[in-house]
Amino acid sequence: QVQLQESGPGLVKPSETLSLTCTVSGGSISSHSWNWIRQPPGQGLEWIGHIYNSGSTNYNPSLRSRVTTSVDTSKNQFSLNLSSVTAADTAVYYCARGEKSGHNIFDYWGQGTLVTVSS
Amino acid sequence: DIQMTQSPSTLSASVGDRVTITCRASQSISSWLAWYQQKPGKAPKFLIYETSNLETGVPSRFSGSGSETEFTLTISSLQPDDFATYYCQQYRTYPWTFGQGTKVEIK
Repeated sequence: QVQLQESGPGLVKPSETLSLTCTVSGGSISSHSWNWIRQPPGQGLEWIGHIYNSGSTNYNPSLRSRVTTSVDTSKNQFSLNLSSVTAADTAVYYCARGEKSGHNIFDYWGQGTLVTVSS
Repeated sequence: DIQMTQSPSTLSASVGDRVTITCRASQSISSWLAWYQQKPGKAPKFLIYETSNLETGVPSRFSGSGSETEFTLTISSLQPDDFATYYCQQYRTYPWTFGQGTKVEIK
């Protein structure tokens, strides 16, 4: 059974960089896409972007200028950096596995981690 | 971006009711639509892909239909475990986008 677990600071100061890591167990990171999705409190879901083990990425244009992702296949981990954060970036951040038989859906999710942007 | 609009935003229903949620896309997405269920404090759970294909283990009371710009998720006989918020997601064009969610609550 594939499992994902987010880790990282729960509090980030405005203008700083939010950094999260997702550790994948029960499966290899060498296939599928590996995604970040966020959900502001009481609101809907927003896809941030994804990365493949090759390093190929796609990002949501609304966040592209501030997002970078990376993958560490030796640790079965992938990471998110979101720079210049503001209060609007306060959300639960989920990592999720993408792609099922060519369909760009999210079939396995981490439990989510709340990141609050505040001084 | 392709905008996904769900209706209703909230739906009150009783156990045993047939429930239908609608998802409309701002442009054609063919059949590239998925559905998720989310309970409070939990990650979304993947239910359906390509409009009507149930993920393994999803009860058969769930079904999906539609094409192009209009889609529906139907629960044929609502069970206590089904009270949750449901989201549609298009994967026709980047960026992948979700509907705003439909909360199914107890009547």
